[in-house]
Amino acid sequence: QSALTQPASVSGSPGQSVTISCTGTSSDVGRFDLVSWYQQLPGKVPKLIIYEDNKRPSGASLRFSGSKSGNTASLTISGLRAEDEADYYCCSYAGTPWVFGGGTKLTVL
Amino acid sequence: QITLKESGPALVKPTQTLTLTCTLSGLSLRTSGVGVGWIRQPPGKALEWVSLIYWNGDERYSPSLRNRLTITKDTSKNQVVLTMTNMDPVDTATYYCVYSYVSDASFDSWGQGTLVTVSS
Repeated sequence: QSALTQPASVSGSPGQSVTISCTGTSSDVGRFDLVSWYQQLPGKVPKLIIYEDNKRPSGASLRFSGSKSGNTASLTISGLRAEDEADYYCCSYAGTPWVFGGGTKLTVL
Repeated sequence: QITLKESGPALVKPTQTLTLTCTLSGLSLRTSGVGVGWIRQPPGKALEWVSLIYWNGDERYSPSLRNRLTITKDTSKNQVVLTMTNMDPVDTATYYCVYSYVSDASFDSWGQGTLVTVSS
């Protein structure tokens, strides 16, 4: 099972919106409605921010939203803030294994 | 509140076997739907799913690591144990214990992680 493809880095200015893509295949992202997204602040433990493609767990910011089209899932962060600067990982259930993306570093300019 | 705490050696030698223990609180391994597993992250690199075990004993393994892994649970101690044989320097990583509910297949809670270094 190959890793999901994410851009290595994205950036945006405070107040702007950014979108991070996550491309898989018809065996993972395209097959199951089970893409999740994780935020990892510098030196910290990853934290779930989106599950089942587009659902937010209790306590997650409303500024995070998830979507999916075919084999590509996306995470949009609106109203960028300095505290959003972090690594973001997508993950898809793929039958027996789960597969992660390579991670995207978000820089807030 | 669910908490997970990893324990195990910080340093192992190449070819040795690694044993990691995850102790759960606020969550019972007997509860239907509960899954507990492991995700690792080499220094400066991406997350990699390793293994998971469900409340009913169903075991799941990463295909690339399957022949080296064993995951077990001890419901009386509320612990999950991961064993990885034939350790190599490329296995150096922070190993996180994670909680997943069977229906949403996401990792809702994470332990603080334990850094395992493989070196002679």
